[in-house]
Amino acid sequence: AQTVTQSQPEMSVQEAETVTLSCTYDTSESDYYLFWYKQPPSRQMILVIRQEAYKQQNATENRFSVNFQKAAKSFSLKISDSQLGDAAMYFCAYRTPTLLGAQKLVFGQGTRLTINP
Amino acid sequence: DGGITQSPKYLFRKEGQNVTLSCEQNLNHDAMYWYRQDPGQGLRLIYYSQIVNDFQKGDIAEGYSVSREKKESFPLTVTSAQKNPTAFYLCASSMTDRVTEAFFGQGTRLTVV
Repeated sequence: AQTVTQSQPEMSVQEAETVTLSCTYDTSESDYYLFWYKQPPSRQMILVIRQEAYKQQNATENRFSVNFQKAAKSFSLKISDSQLGDAAMYFCAYRTPTLLGAQKLVFGQGTRLTINP
Repeated sequence: DGGITQSPKYLFRKEGQNVTLSCEQNLNHDAMYWYRQDPGQGLRLIYYSQIVNDFQKGDIAEGYSVSREKKESFPLTVTSAQKNPTAFYLCASSMTDRVTEAFFGQGTRLTVV
């Protein structure tokens, strides 16, 4: 079974600094998708960034980027120039591809990120 | 506006009663999911469905049931067999395209009284 592990329950960073959130996953598949979601206090889930496993290039979305290490099954999120609005729970997620039947979307335990002004 | 709607936002249930949480989407998404979130914890998958009249158990399906009679709807019933049902429940949907993300509802907070 696929599992996603976030080993950092809490992280904090000074405003304008850079922080990296860790995520590892376990799968026997070669093709899959990875996501980072943000959950602010409103509890609304918001997509931050996505990565397709077959793409070697790391995804980037403005201040957010990932370090995807397929062999190590690692998918870390880097937030540059941290802003107060970045404070939230961050979840790493894994999804199986359509060809394997019904898609299973699995989440990690989450990392609570605090931004210090 | 397209989106995914969960209702109600807050729900109270007496012990021993079944209760149904509603999830409706107008995004024309094929896949739908139900998750449970406990305080300070991640999202645990209860059930998921790719097509109408078909669904699969997730990691914590015991005490829950679902139906998928329409593409737009994926209701979750919390039965009296669920020993600790108080939690925050999230519904999501997605296309089955390669890299499409899942969209989430606002959630339902269920409390057993």
